Amino acid sequence: DGGITQSPKYLFRKEGQNVTLSCEQNLNHDAMYWYRQDPGQGLRLIYYSQIVNDFQKGDIAEGYSVSREKKESFPLTVTSAQKNPTAFYLCASSDLEGRTDTQYFGPGTRLTVL
Amino acid sequence: AQSVAQPEDQVNVAEGNPLTVKCTYSVSGNPYLFWYVQYPNRGLQFLLKYITGDNLVKGSYGFEAEFNKSQTSFHLKKPSALVSDSALYFCAVRDPYNNNDMRFGAGTRLTVKP
Repeated sequence: DGGITQSPKYLFRKEGQNVTLSCEQNLNHDAMYWYRQDPGQGLRLIYYSQIVNDFQKGDIAEGYSVSREKKESFPLTVTSAQKNPTAFYLCASSDLEGRTDTQYFGPGTRLTVL
Repeated sequence: AQSVAQPEDQVNVAEGNPLTVKCTYSVSGNPYLFWYVQYPNRGLQFLLKYITGDNLVKGSYGFEAEFNKSQTSFHLKKPSALVSDSALYFCAVRDPYNNNDMRFGAGTRLTVKP
């Protein structure tokens, strides 16, 4: 978990609310990622960003939005359009320029819809 | 598109015995393969990876994995299991031509009993 922080650790959302999950890294990594984890399904990619002010949709982007205004930060907004948002959300980063090929993960945020 | 399969949802071993967590992959081209471990309500921790070179890869905490191209497998092993090894283990494969396309298995829960 070192170098990547996510907040909050637990988040509760009411129906119809947008919520934003924070992800910050101090590893000077170029690329950042958001994954969703559901029991028994592994990780699925929501969005990724290789450079500031640019990001791409992953496999399950519907109902989510992101921004990348700073290299260190990649917040994820879960909108009211996401029909089943209760899940464990993981942020990751990797050093594309150094080609280490490895993604490093933050500690995660558990989102529960009330 | 690449994919990985972890054929066992659960693996149980006695402390001190060797452990194996299985992973098979499907990818066009040379695979980039990874193992991660996840403890409850935590992010994924990187254990080891295979990119090229020696088929036997050594990683953190005494774990190792053997790349077998003919069997398209990348099984995780440890000679002597510890109770503290009990966790959820994920195998992942990355597209060698796309840094951002990482596919994860569904995970295998390892339980080491004293």
